[in-house]
Amino acid sequence: DSGVTQTPKHLITATGQRVTLRCSPRSGDLSVYWYQQSLDQGLQFLIQYYNGEERAKGNILERFSAQQFPDLHSELNLSSLELGDSALYFCASSVGAFPDTQYFGPGTRLTVL
Amino acid sequence: KNQVEQSPQSLIILEGKNCTLQCNYTVSPFSNLRWYKQDTGRGPVSLTIMTFSENTKSNGRYTATLDADTKQSSLHITASQLSDSASYICVVSALVTGGGNKLTFGTGTQLKVEL
Repeated sequence: DSGVTQTPKHLITATGQRVTLRCSPRSGDLSVYWYQQSLDQGLQFLIQYYNGEERAKGNILERFSAQQFPDLHSELNLSSLELGDSALYFCASSVGAFPDTQYFGPGTRLTVL
Repeated sequence: KNQVEQSPQSLIILEGKNCTLQCNYTVSPFSNLRWYKQDTGRGPVSLTIMTFSENTKSNGRYTATLDADTKQSSLHITASQLSDSASYICVVSALVTGGGNKLTFGTGTQLKVEL
């Protein structure tokens, strides 16, 4: 158990819908990272937040947005969902912004039908 | 464009044998290189993290090396066990303005350890 929690574990929804994935970092960790892992691709870095502020951006679509709240939990919002958005979404946390070890959560499996 | 390439794509070895996984990268400005182990359907677990000045780091039976000049890294697994069966992912981090990390992931080497 990494100490990072993600909810929900599984999510099934339809195209065009909007969903919110939630992540709680390990106690004391200030950075949160979001990743997408599709079957045919490796892990793709989406975005990093550090202490409530966006710190780095990866291949995150405009339909996706994220935020980190004052209690340091983070949410990833996915809108206008497409079939290709079906994937495992991982959240990770680390103590600082650089170059800490990241601890990954168990992931949220999103299926878009 | 930042890229991380891993080889081989997959590998099958017998329990007790050693193996070495390779990672080549073109990422700049280089910040650090990490190796992760990922069991199917689960989140990756960090094995090692190395900065520019480090050329080797061990974690139990796992030893990672880094050659920053040739931009190559390897992960050596000694005396493999069935539980080593997993995907091993090389991740290279670039520094970005503001002090964050932009991570580029390799597609992983799928290792299977058999009896």
